[in-house]
Amino acid sequence: ELKVEQNPLFLSMQEGKNYTIYCNYSTTSDRLYWYRQDPGKSLESLFVLLSNGAVKQEGRLMASLDTKARLSTLHITAAVHDLSATYFCAVTEIATSGTYKYIFGTGTRLKVLA
Amino acid sequence: EAQVTQNPRYLITVTGKKLTVTCSQNMNHEYMSWYRQDPGLGLRQIYYSMNVEVTDKGDVPEGYKVSRKEKRNFPLILESPSPNQTSLYFCASSPGTGAYGYTFGSGTRLTVV
Repeated sequence: ELKVEQNPLFLSMQEGKNYTIYCNYSTTSDRLYWYRQDPGKSLESLFVLLSNGAVKQEGRLMASLDTKARLSTLHITAAVHDLSATYFCAVTEIATSGTYKYIFGTGTRLKVLA
Repeated sequence: EAQVTQNPRYLITVTGKKLTVTCSQNMNHEYMSWYRQDPGLGLRQIYYSMNVEVTDKGDVPEGYKVSRKEKRNFPLILESPSPNQTSLYFCASSPGTGAYGYTFGSGTRLTVV
């Protein structure tokens, strides 16, 4: 059974600082997704990583994927308050029926302090 | 506007009273899915559908039913709701190739008393 673990679960950081959120998964997969959820809101797609070594950047966020280590990172550069949200990673798993399932991590709640 | 529309946004019901949460997407997506979100547990997949008339169980399907009679609609049915189904529910869709992330609906907060 595919497990997706994120750490840390909670992260409180000062504005202007850098930090990294980690996403580990337990079986082989070459597709990884990052989402953002603001309090009381729905989820928004941030990044789709489709191969080993893939790197995507948008503003102060950069995501990377190492399929051999089964690890993705979401790096935050010079954090600002607007980045405060919960971040989820998700991985696809091929079901026995040949369809595929998206499995989500438990999320990392990020709070950026002024 | 490309979107996934869920209704209702909020629902309070009593144990055992059948209910349906509707989900519709206007992007011609093949793949649709239902999740529930509970504190500390992240998002757990209830059911998903690769295409019309093709559905499959996710990780927590017990107590739920779905149907996919049309490509755009994927309703979630609770035949006999119980308090442990109190949760925040999300419908999501994607093109189905895996090359794109999900588009999520705005969520349905369900309380079963």
